[in-house]
Amino acid sequence: GDSVTQMEGPVTLSEEAFLTINCTYTATGYPSLFWYVQYPGEGLQLLLKATKADDKGSNKGFEATYRKETTSFHLEKGSVQVSDSAVYFCALSERNGNNRKLIWGLGTSLAVNP
Amino acid sequence: NAGVTQTPKFRVLKTGQSMTLLCAQDMNHEYMYWYRQDPGMGLRLIHYSVGEGTTAKGEVPDGYNVSRLKKQNFLLGLESAAPSQTSVYFCASSYGGTGANVLTFGAGSRLTVL
Repeated sequence: GDSVTQMEGPVTLSEEAFLTINCTYTATGYPSLFWYVQYPGEGLQLLLKATKADDKGSNKGFEATYRKETTSFHLEKGSVQVSDSAVYFCALSERNGNNRKLIWGLGTSLAVNP
Repeated sequence: NAGVTQTPKFRVLKTGQSMTLLCAQDMNHEYMYWYRQDPGMGLRLIHYSVGEGTTAKGEVPDGYNVSRLKKQNFLLGLESAAPSQTSVYFCASSYGGTGANVLTFGAGSRLTVL
């Protein structure tokens, strides 16, 4: 079946550093890809998404490009802030009969130090 | 606009006790989900519903029951709690169709079973 693999954390960076969190996937067909973020003590929220190959999702300075040739959807940000400290989840949608369900990565914890 | 509200936020149970977690959404979403989140295991889908009066099993349904009597509410029940059900539980909801994978999450319910 479909699967998502994220780089293991925790990732620790200094403020204003460049961030990359790797995400690769295996899928049949053409899934949509997502990044969700979970801030401490909160539920997950959608950060960005891409629905087809070569699409770039972006939000709050974060970007990710849907690369079908490398089956990847890496999350990047040019200059992280302390407020970006959170757990980041990569996910893909998988067709399940008439519905689609999400396949989740295990999450990558990011800590940004001032 | 409250979004997705979960009650209670915290609960401690003894083995064998029963309880119900309540999820309420005010966005008129068709789809609702219950996940559990455990360290090192990411998010796992327990049960979900694609509309009022419907429920379906997810990846880890054993030991849980659900009901969706009203469109805005999705209840998760534990009939006889076990220590293995100690976890953080998240409810989520989404529109159907192509928007089905953009989930809005509640803040979580932390359950401890002694």
